[in-house]
Amino acid sequence: AQKITQTQPGMFVQEKEAVTLDCTYDTSDPSYGLFWYKQPSSGEMIFLIYQGSYDQQNATEGRYSLNFQKARKSANLVISASQLGDSAMYFCAMREVTSGTYKYIFGTGTRLKVLA
Amino acid sequence: EPEVTQTPSHQVTQMGQEVILRCVPISNHLYFYWYRQILGQKVEFLVSFYNNEISEKSEIFDDQFSVERPDGSNFTLKIRSTKLEDSAMYFCASSGQGARYSNQPQHFGDGTRLSIL
Repeated sequence: AQKITQTQPGMFVQEKEAVTLDCTYDTSDPSYGLFWYKQPSSGEMIFLIYQGSYDQQNATEGRYSLNFQKARKSANLVISASQLGDSAMYFCAMREVTSGTYKYIFGTGTRLKVLA
Repeated sequence: EPEVTQTPSHQVTQMGQEVILRCVPISNHLYFYWYRQILGQKVEFLVSFYNNEISEKSEIFDDQFSVERPDGSNFTLKIRSTKLEDSAMYFCASSGQGARYSNQPQHFGDGTRLSIL
């Protein structure tokens, strides 16, 4: 069975600094996808970034980047130049493909607080 | 940008009552999902739906739960006889063809907060 682990329940970062949110995963599938979602206090789930297991380069999307270390089975989210609006819950998720379709397995999340 | 819409945003129901949560997925998407998030906990998969039938369901999705796509646009989750532990945020999500192996994410609605009294 696949598993996602986020070991940081909460993180603080000073505005304009970079922060890394950790995510490790466990799977026996050679083909998998890793996703990061942001959940503000309002509750919606916002897709941030994707990393495929066969991607040669680390994914980047604006201020978001993924530090993907396949051998260590980690896919850490890096947020550069933090902004107050980045304060939210962040979830790492893995795509699990089944015979019928696929689903996400989520980690427990990291609550990020950006300080002014 | 197209989005997944869920109604209502908040539903308060007496224990034992039936509740229907509604979702309108993105129009050209083919795969539909329901997830649940109990307050302060992680998001959990409930059920996936494709080609007008359930593709997979979790152990949470027992006989009290059902899903339906009654027309070409709506996707509903019904809980027949609600329990206190059904109180949670329920998210609907959808994805397009090819999303099983590609970078296409599941698109989530804003959720319905269900409170069982």
